[in-house]
Amino acid sequence: QSALTQPASVSGSPGQSLTISCTGTSGDVGAYPYVSWYQQHPGKAPKLMISEISNRPSGVSDRFSGSKSGNTASLTISGLQTEDEATYYCASKRVTTGLEVIFGGGTKVTVL
Amino acid sequence: QVQLQLSGPGLVKPSQTLSLTCAISGDSVSSNNAAWNWIRQSPSRGLEWLGRTYSRSRWYNDYALSVKGRITINSDTSKNQFSLQLNSATPEDTAVYYCARGGLGEWEPLYYFDFWGQGLLVTVSS
Repeated sequence: QSALTQPASVSGSPGQSLTISCTGTSGDVGAYPYVSWYQQHPGKAPKLMISEISNRPSGVSDRFSGSKSGNTASLTISGLQTEDEATYYCASKRVTTGLEVIFGGGTKVTVL
Repeated sequence: QVQLQLSGPGLVKPSQTLSLTCAISGDSVSSNNAAWNWIRQSPSRGLEWLGRTYSRSRWYNDYALSVKGRITINSDTSKNQFSLQLNSATPEDTAVYYCARGGLGEWEPLYYFDFWGQGLLVTVSS
């Protein structure tokens, strides 16, 4: 199964904003309101940051926001902080012969 | 607070069955608001969703195409846990395995994972 396409890495300075893209197809990202984003620090389990395109779970900083346009979803981190340095993954519903979940390849965020 | 505790062997021989269990606390495996998922992560395959089980008057299972035919996910309401069995294991199944709770809407799963287990490295090797 082909993963959703994310840039391998992005970087920014503390206080800046950055955006991570997640490109799929009309069969996954473009078709459903089911894009989610996860933050993963080394050696840890992923943590849900955004569900259903733009919903932020309780306890997640409002510096994180999500959106979608066509076949591309985006995660924006505003007011970048050192603890935001991690790998971020997107995920989406994909319908093949069944109801599946497909992940992106991950984007390493570096805080300069 | 929901907690998921993963257990199972860290080493499996090729052609044998990989078996893992995820014990749930703070929620119920038979909840009408949750689906219970298995996800794995490896350098070669990245994050890969394997399948889920959930209860809606009866039990439902969905499996990823990549492992369909080799995978079984079961639930045990008496122990409040769910399990993964992956038959005919190969070195390609070497990965960190996670169990995770997913959302469950009125009509279908909600395709996000809000609580994760700690992860368990399973190596398939002779």
